[in-house]
Amino acid sequence: EPEVTQTPSHQVTQMGQEVILRCVPISNHLYFYWYRQILGQKVEFLVSFYNNEISEKSEIFDDQFSVERPDGSNFTLKIRSTKLEDSAMYFCASVIQGAAGELFFGEGSRLTVL
Amino acid sequence: LAKTTQPISMDSYEGQEVNITCSHNNIATNDYITWYQQFPSQGPRFIIQGYKTKVTNEVASLFIPADRKSSTLSLPRVSLSDTAVYYCLVGDRGGGFKTIFGAGTRLFVKA
Repeated sequence: EPEVTQTPSHQVTQMGQEVILRCVPISNHLYFYWYRQILGQKVEFLVSFYNNEISEKSEIFDDQFSVERPDGSNFTLKIRSTKLEDSAMYFCASVIQGAAGELFFGEGSRLTVL
Repeated sequence: LAKTTQPISMDSYEGQEVNITCSHNNIATNDYITWYQQFPSQGPRFIIQGYKTKVTNEVASLFIPADRKSSTLSLPRVSLSDTAVYYCLVGDRGGGFKTIFGAGTRLFVKA
């Protein structure tokens, strides 16, 4: 069964460092998403991406965040200067059609900022 | 985006049927209702989606009344492994891009 893969599974970084989280969505999917989940809290929408550009973003997705699809297969989330409060699980998801279609999530990347 | 309201938590015993109801009073004509399941430290997993009446798959059933202002996820004969958080989402299947998760319902299945 096709799946969304994410790397790294866990990353520990120092505050102020740049982090790049990588995702390989399912190959025939067209819409891509990043979500985050702080421990014990709900899944929060960060950004959606379609046709090589951001479709929507939340208030969490400020200038410290950026997304890119550099080579037609990878979908990356970059945090330029990490803060302690960025510590969370980051989930990538993809879907063939738009929102409310069946989102396929990856296993997540746990980011710990010290 | 239609707001959803679900119970915060529910308890059940193995072998019982569990029904989780979600309210979405301002659902729009084009909106679909989708349920996801999430285990700790894992990404949410799609369970079922519907527009009206009843949808059934190998995992669950989804009941949607005629006014579509609520929906009920039914899990037949739950087991311990069904302990998870269940999310009800409402959104336009085709045109929208933002899929928002609410707080979900934490289901705890006891032996």
